[in-house]
Amino acid sequence: AQSVTQPDIHITVSEGASLELRCNYSYGATPYLFWYVQSPGQGLQLLLKYFSGDTLVQGIKGFEAEFKRSQSSFNLRKPSVHWSDAAEYFCAVGEYNFNKFYFGSGTKLNVKP
Amino acid sequence: KAGVTQTPRYLIKTRGQQVTLSCSPISGHRSVSWYQQTPGQGLQFLFEYFSETQRNKGNFPGRFSGRQFSNSRSEMNVSTLELGDSALYLCASSLEGQGRTEAFFGQGTRLTVV
Repeated sequence: AQSVTQPDIHITVSEGASLELRCNYSYGATPYLFWYVQSPGQGLQLLLKYFSGDTLVQGIKGFEAEFKRSQSSFNLRKPSVHWSDAAEYFCAVGEYNFNKFYFGSGTKLNVKP
Repeated sequence: KAGVTQTPRYLIKTRGQQVTLSCSPISGHRSVSWYQQTPGQGLQFLFEYFSETQRNKGNFPGRFSGRQFSNSRSEMNVSTLELGDSALYLCASSLEGQGRTEAFFGQGTRLTVV
């Protein structure tokens, strides 16, 4: 069965520090992978996506993610965090032929000044 | 171009009532999917519509239903509301309704059942 695991519920980093959010997935074939960000009470905004090809993908707001098939992981990184990055981050796997996603439980990012 | 519009943004209903939520996708998009988001269960898939046909349904009771109109606008209905139905309901609009096609989310409808 398809599933997504985000092992870290909360993460706190200092502004300017680097960030890595972990994501592991279980899917029967090569997955379509996404990272979304959600500010309180808002919808989800796409940060980046991986379908195929280069395993290091660049997204908006300076984020990047690396797909590692051997580890079934798709970790999100940012070299220097800004206070405005404080939000909740969701990793997701997309179904091949449908507009349907399996989401992880999310990681809440807190940024210390 | 305009994004995904969900109305209303906030709703307060009483147990036992029913509610209808609306989602207007991005112009030209043919697929709409719905999600329920709660602190305890996270984001859970409700159903997906493509060209007025329901293609997928999540593991929710029959009290949850939906439909899609010819202009791709979608509605979801919850009958006999329960306290546990309190949640943020999100819809996602997609051009082709396939996993490799980016989906755009609305801001959601916050439903509170009292």
